[in-house]
Amino acid sequence: SQQGEEDPQALSIQEGENATMNCSYKTSINNLQWYRQNSGRGLVHLILIRSNEREKHSGRLRVTLDTSKKSSSLLITASRAADTASYFCARAGWGKFQFGAGTQVVVTP
Amino acid sequence: NAGVTQTPKFQVLKTGQSMTLQCAQDMNHNSMYWYRQDPGMGLRLIYYSASEGTTDKGEVPNGYNVSRLNKREFSLRLESAAPSQTSVYFCASSWTGRDTEAFFGQGTRLTVV
Repeated sequence: SQQGEEDPQALSIQEGENATMNCSYKTSINNLQWYRQNSGRGLVHLILIRSNEREKHSGRLRVTLDTSKKSSSLLITASRAADTASYFCARAGWGKFQFGAGTQVVVTP
Repeated sequence: NAGVTQTPKFQVLKTGQSMTLQCAQDMNHNSMYWYRQDPGMGLRLIYYSASEGTTDKGEVPNGYNVSRLNKREFSLRLESAAPSQTSVYFCASSWTGRDTEAFFGQGTRLTVV
């Protein structure tokens, strides 16, 4: 069973729009991470947010964490066609990573 | 920078055949992992190794064996392949710290017929 559950399962937007996806988890975390997977490739780490942080930014990425609701969100601003990929959250810490089922994002030009 | 290297990239097996998936990392990481990815299921942990000489079962270990040959290499063996093992297999590695990230290989697409 996955510890992280992403919502929505799929998202289709146009270039320039923002993409928001959510992740819920069941148990306590050390940190929560987001990864991107391009078609046919391995996962690539995007951003990590610690359990005592509420918001973090990296370029066009914004991640929030609400530990009281056991949820996180990833916002990609000003989407580009190159952002087309699957995005996974992972509950992580001390060498353990538990991934959700992912959100498939398609950005059309 | 090679990172995590998996071989082979593609493989077709007949039911009952055996094979070993190879994984090597050049980042001096302590921990290594094997995941399988199936449509709609995300990544499920098969086995992991927190350090050289140690291995532990993950969520879906049945039908698999692993060997942590040294710090760099972590292999996954299917002794008698079954169609249910058709999947994409990913090897990953990381430091064993509180806030560390995982680095993934490119995956092995395995089809068992």
